[in-house]
Amino acid sequence: AQKITQTQPGMFVQEKEAVTLDCTYDTSDPSYGLFWYKQPSSGEMIFLIYQGSYDQQNATEGRYSLNFQKARKSANLVISASQLGDSAMYFCAMREGREGGATNKLIFGTGTLLAVQP
Amino acid sequence: DAGVTQSPTHLIKTRGQHVTLRCSPISGHKSVSWYQQVLGQGPQFIFQYYEKEERGRGNFPDRFSARQFPNYSSELNVNALLLGDSALYLCASSPRRYEQYFGPGTRLTVT
Repeated sequence: AQKITQTQPGMFVQEKEAVTLDCTYDTSDPSYGLFWYKQPSSGEMIFLIYQGSYDQQNATEGRYSLNFQKARKSANLVISASQLGDSAMYFCAMREGREGGATNKLIFGTGTLLAVQP
Repeated sequence: DAGVTQSPTHLIKTRGQHVTLRCSPISGHKSVSWYQQVLGQGPQFIFQYYEKEERGRGNFPDRFSARQFPNYSSELNVNALLLGDSALYLCASSPRRYEQYFGPGTRLTVT
C-alpha cells in the first residue's frame, strides 16, 4: 500500500544549526517521486524540493537537501543553517508513477512541526 | 506571474448546505488538483482534472464533485455538508511536470 510515514510530530532546533526531518515511504511502483512541502501557519503549501526514484544524485535546493536512501525507502529533509522563518509544518509526499503520467496524485505524511529557537 | 488563487478564503456553512469552492491555476497550467486537509493531518487527495477531464479521484463520497472549465479554472462542490467536512481545501496546479503549486486554500467551517 502507498504510504508516507513521518515519525517526528515536533522538532526543536537552534537558529543557525542544521536539522533533519525524517520520512519513510512504502510503494510497489518502481517509478515514483518524493516531495517536501513547508506549510506556515497561513496554510499555503510551499514546494521545497523533489527527488525522482531514478535520480542518481540527492536533490539540493539552496539550504534544503534530500537524503535519499532508496534501499531503506527513506527521504529525509536536511535544512542547513536554520532560520527563524523556517518555523512551520513540514510535509513529505509521494507521487506514484512516472513524471507526466496520467495522474499526479500526491500522498502526504502527517507532518513534522519544526520550531527554530533563537 | 500570479500564483494559484482560491476563493473564498474563509467560509462558514450549516450542516446540510451546499458549498462551491473556486480555484484559478497559474497561467499556462492545465492540471488542477483538489486536496482536503483536516486539522492536524496531511492533505488528502480529492480530485485531479487535466484538460477538463477527470484524471483521478480520491476516496471521497459522491457528495464531492468537481469540474474544470475551458480556461482551466476549477470548482469543487460539496453537497449535504457534514461537520466532518470542516477543513482547509487546497487547490494545486501543475504544468504536467512534477511540481505542484498550491494555493492559499479555503478554510471551510461547518456548524
